[in-house]
Amino acid sequence: GEDVEQSLFLSVREGDSSVINCTYTDSSSTYLYWYKQEPGAGLQLLTYIFSNMDMKQDQRLTVLLNKKDKHLSLRIADTQTGDSAIYFCAEKGGLTGGGNKLTFGTGTQQKVEL
Amino acid sequence: EAGVAQSPRYKIIEKRQSVAFWCNPISGHATLYWYQQILGQGPKLLIQFQNNGVVDDSQLPKDRFSAERLKGVDSTLKIQPAKLEDSAVYLCASRKLAGAPGETQYFGPGTRLLVL
Repeated sequence: GEDVEQSLFLSVREGDSSVINCTYTDSSSTYLYWYKQEPGAGLQLLTYIFSNMDMKQDQRLTVLLNKKDKHLSLRIADTQTGDSAIYFCAEKGGLTGGGNKLTFGTGTQQKVEL
Repeated sequence: EAGVAQSPRYKIIEKRQSVAFWCNPISGHATLYWYQQILGQGPKLLIQFQNNGVVDDSQLPKDRFSAERLKGVDSTLKIQPAKLEDSAVYLCASRKLAGAPGETQYFGPGTRLLVL
């Protein structure tokens, strides 16, 4: 089945940029998403990218997609303490990958330190 | 617009007991999902409804888990009997039937279950 992998932890100093990485195995993925989860809360959609794009920028967020290597990254510029959370990468499979089903990564816990 | 509502927020039960969770999706959202999120892992889809029909329940442990969405709006997820490994956060999400990809799924706050 589909597999999505992420590193577990990331620490960054406030004001610096952070990069959260994700790799996936489903070559028929149509869309890839980044979600944020704060303690005790559900998942909040941050941004998404269509699989035929290689970059998308949305204010402080930049998503890079290397489809050949099945590698996705999320760059957060000028990090703030409110960016401390768990970030999940998710992929939506194509026709051979489960249709509309989202497969989530294990999550990366980011801590922004003063 | 109100978000996805779930109750209860927390539940502690003993193994072999039964438990039920309730979800009220965003108004007008035809698609509803239940996920299980075990500590330290990403959410895993248990079941997907479109209106009151099941679209995907391939990862639902049907010997002990059941879910229904009788009128195509609210949904309940039941575990009977519960096992220790069912301790997790149960997330409900909803989505418009034919929304744009960026619509994706809106998540509720989850129900945190602890089985002792």
